[in-house]
Amino acid sequence: KAGVTQTPRYLIKTRGQQVTLSCSPISGHRSVSWYQQTPGQGLQFLFEYFSETQRNKGNFPGRFSGRQFSNSRSEMNVSTLELGDSALYLCASSSQNTQYFGPGTRLTVL
Amino acid sequence: GEDVEQSLFLSVREGDSSVINCTYTDSSSTYLYWYKQEPGAGLQLLTYIFSNMDMKQDQRLTVLLNKKDKHLSLRIADTQTGDSAIYFCAESNSNDYKLSFGAGTTVTVRA
Repeated sequence: KAGVTQTPRYLIKTRGQQVTLSCSPISGHRSVSWYQQTPGQGLQFLFEYFSETQRNKGNFPGRFSGRQFSNSRSEMNVSTLELGDSALYLCASSSQNTQYFGPGTRLTVL
Repeated sequence: GEDVEQSLFLSVREGDSSVINCTYTDSSSTYLYWYKQEPGAGLQLLTYIFSNMDMKQDQRLTVLLNKKDKHLSLRIADTQTGDSAIYFCAESNSNDYKLSFGAGTTVTVRA
C-alpha cells in the first residue's frame, strides 16, 4: 500500500497570505489528523477528521481550518499567515488507533 | 490535560543498547507509541503497546510499560549509526485519535 502523501512538500508565503495544504491518507483509512511541529512547541495536535466530519480539535485559533472529502483526502487551510505559523505540518492517517504519518509540508512565512 | 515527558538527549556507542525513557500523566491512556524522526522527514511509527500489556518485543526493539508508575521505555539492541534520530513517545486514549507527544529524545550513536 502507498503511504501517506502530502503536497506540497515545501512552501514559502508572506505574512497575511493564506495557504492550503493537502493530505492523501493510506487507502482504506478514514481518519486523518493534522499536527504542527515547531522547535519551540514541539508536536501539537490541530484537528482530526473522520468520514468528512471534524471529530476533535486542538487549541489553535480559528485561522486554522480543515476539511475532508468523500475519498478521505484532507486539506488544511491557514488564513492571514503570521511569522509564528512557520512550521512542519504533518498529516497522519489512522486505522484502529494506529497513526501513520506523511513526510510533512514545511511552511515558511516571511 | 495530557503531559508526556522525555529526557532530551542520549549518546550511545555503536553496538551497545540504547534505553529511552518516557513518563506520562494521563491515567486513561490506552495506547502508547514510539515514533522515530530523521532529519527533514516525517514520523515513522516504530512500535506501540496497549496499556493492558507490560512488554512488547519486535526484533531489536523492546518496549516496557509500568502502568502503575506511568513509565514507558524503549530499548534498542545493538544500536547502529542508522538509529541516530529523534525518538518521540506519544499516548492516546480509546476515545479519540489525538496523540499527545513528548518533546523527543535526540539519540546520537558514536563509533
